[in-house]
Amino acid sequence: QLQLEESGPGLVKPSETLSLTCTVSGGSIGSTRYFWGWIRQPPGKGLEWIATIYYSGSTYYNPSLKSRVTISVDTSRNQFSLKLSSVTAADTAVYYCASQTYSYDRSGFQQPKGYFQQWGQGTLVTVS
Amino acid sequence: EIVLTQSPGTLSLSPGERATLSCRASQSVTSSYLAWYQQKPGQAPRLLIDGASSRATGIPDRFSGSGSGTDFTLTISRLEPEDFAVYYCQQYGSSPWTFGQGTKVEVK
Repeated sequence: QLQLEESGPGLVKPSETLSLTCTVSGGSIGSTRYFWGWIRQPPGKGLEWIATIYYSGSTYYNPSLKSRVTISVDTSRNQFSLKLSSVTAADTAVYYCASQTYSYDRSGFQQPKGYFQQWGQGTLVTVS
Repeated sequence: EIVLTQSPGTLSLSPGERATLSCRASQSVTSSYLAWYQQKPGQAPRLLIDGASSRATGIPDRFSGSGSGTDFTLTISRLEPEDFAVYYCQQYGSSPWTFGQGTKVEVK
């Protein structure tokens, strides 16, 4: 069974860049079976999808964050990463990484199914 | 962007009772691409239901999902002590994928 674990600084200064890594075990990040996503949850609030990536590098972003977000994958380390630039207090949240399954579009290409199957335990990032 | 509104905000019930949670979308959800999650304090969400009505692996059959279009329901047939938690719906038919604000199921 897949296991995911987030890592990165718990405290980031305003205007700086938040950087997190998700390490995958129990499976290969290069597998064609999965897409990989980031979701966040401000304290006491709901969930927000941030971005998704495939091992090939195909990326999908939430338009509300796209201008500040970069998601990347490192197949040699079985990791994928998130960078969020120009952070403010509003970016304070628990950040989760998760796996996603796929479907085929009309052209026969794999596309992520947008729900999240396996989740990491989450990591709290405070902007202050 | 599709906005999901969950009701009620809080549901106060006793173990053994039936829980009915509602999720209403601001526009029709493509292909009933709707998921439900359970989240307990200090834990990550856990996938319960996808495709509006398909239970995820290992999810007990007391959890069931239904609905289509803009109206969806999660039903817990008989509440067990471990079911008291916050439940979120999520649509993935249209990007950006969005979540409801959650319904808390608490012990009465």
